[in-house]
Amino acid sequence: GAVVSQHPSWVICKSGTSVKIECRSLDFQATTMFWYRQFPKQSLMLMATSNEGSKATYEQGVEKDKFLINHASLTLSTLTVTSAHPEDSSFYICSARGDSRAPYEQYFGPGTRLTVT
Amino acid sequence: AQTVTQSQPEMSVQEAETVTLSCTYDTSENNYYLFWYKQPPSRQMILVIRQEAYKQQNATENRFSVNFQKAAKSFSLKISDSQLGDTAMYFCASNAGGTSYGKLTFGQGTILTVHP
Repeated sequence: GAVVSQHPSWVICKSGTSVKIECRSLDFQATTMFWYRQFPKQSLMLMATSNEGSKATYEQGVEKDKFLINHASLTLSTLTVTSAHPEDSSFYICSARGDSRAPYEQYFGPGTRLTVT
Repeated sequence: AQTVTQSQPEMSVQEAETVTLSCTYDTSENNYYLFWYKQPPSRQMILVIRQEAYKQQNATENRFSVNFQKAAKSFSLKISDSQLGDTAMYFCASNAGGTSYGKLTFGQGTILTVHP
């Protein structure tokens, strides 16, 4: 149990276009989802926290107009990178936690590699 | 605010030997949890072990154990009988309550290489 999926696993897009990444909790209801960004051999940097039905809370320094997060249902959150540029190339990871699960535990998706050309 | 510090960017160990990864943290919360996550080359984050701060007993999961020193705010991970599959990046993390409830704070990570 506690499986989180991400789609796509790898996406290449051209500079100036937008790309959407989906994060789904497959076997539990995710009341909260987190989005992280990770550069090679570096730690995970929290970008934002989203609660179902509410606006996402962004961490300091993260552009909310560039990284649009939607958490419309208890099993799906999306991250849209708008007007992507090469510096947005990174590995994006989502995680989810649910009230039915241990409150201190997060379950991670497999990540999405974004390459902007 | 929470901080987590891993001071060993890279470690290596021979197969079947024991290695200890260090982690220190700082938090003003009384109730918090500490974790070690493993990120293998696939980059999937895998929970290795967790420790609840109010429990004095050190957590153990098979070959993995922690040395939790609450007063010193230290939380090291010991891997016994290291295996090639243990090669990964390891992250120490804390999860506190209060206004930051549910948010994980990660350390910088330690790249562990197990040599045959």
